[in-house]
Amino acid sequence: SQKIEQNSEALNIQEGKTATLTCNYTNYSPAYLQWYRQDPGRGPVFLLLIRENEKEKRKERLKVTFDTTLKQSLFHITASQPADSATYLCALEASGGGADGLTFGKGTHLIIQP
Amino acid sequence: EPEVTQTPSHQVTQMGQEVILRCVPISNHLYFYWYRQILGQKVEFLVSFYNNEISEKSEIFDDQFSVERPDGSNFTLKIRSTKLEDSAMYFCATGRDRGLEQYFGPGTRLTVT
Repeated sequence: SQKIEQNSEALNIQEGKTATLTCNYTNYSPAYLQWYRQDPGRGPVFLLLIRENEKEKRKERLKVTFDTTLKQSLFHITASQPADSATYLCALEASGGGADGLTFGKGTHLIIQP
Repeated sequence: EPEVTQTPSHQVTQMGQEVILRCVPISNHLYFYWYRQILGQKVEFLVSFYNNEISEKSEIFDDQFSVERPDGSNFTLKIRSTKLEDSAMYFCATGRDRGLEQYFGPGTRLTVT
């Protein structure tokens, strides 16, 4: 069955360092992968989308990579700040067949310590 | 910046009752979605809606659920006979096109007692 795995344990990073979050998937051939941020009690907020023919995407302090051979995406936050503390969700199209609903991972809880 | 809005923010209902959750999408978006998140668990896809019909639905979206866009603006999710296990946060999301980012509303917390 299709599965998305994110490190569900909390990730503690010191302010100013780079945080790297991992998303692994199995039994998918997604055309794209998305990353969202979710704060407690709030809806997910879109951060970045990367397509299968793209190796890397950047937006300000954020960088995402997508390795379709390894079936893995890495999400980096450089020069991390306490305000970056949140849960980060990896999402793929639900069936891998061009459908438009997203399947989310459980998310990684990131804590940036001052 | 345009945003998705949802009402109510919190709904408490008794088991077996019908509830309607409402969403106002971003105005130029064509694709509409409902997701749910049970407390402490992951966000789960329920249904997608395009051109006034369901385009995809998950196994969770059984006959107790229905969606419609009755007046061309509001997008609603109806649960006909609520169960305790329907207690969750329900998120509406919208998108300009398939395969693009989705914009989520603030959610409706549904509590079934």
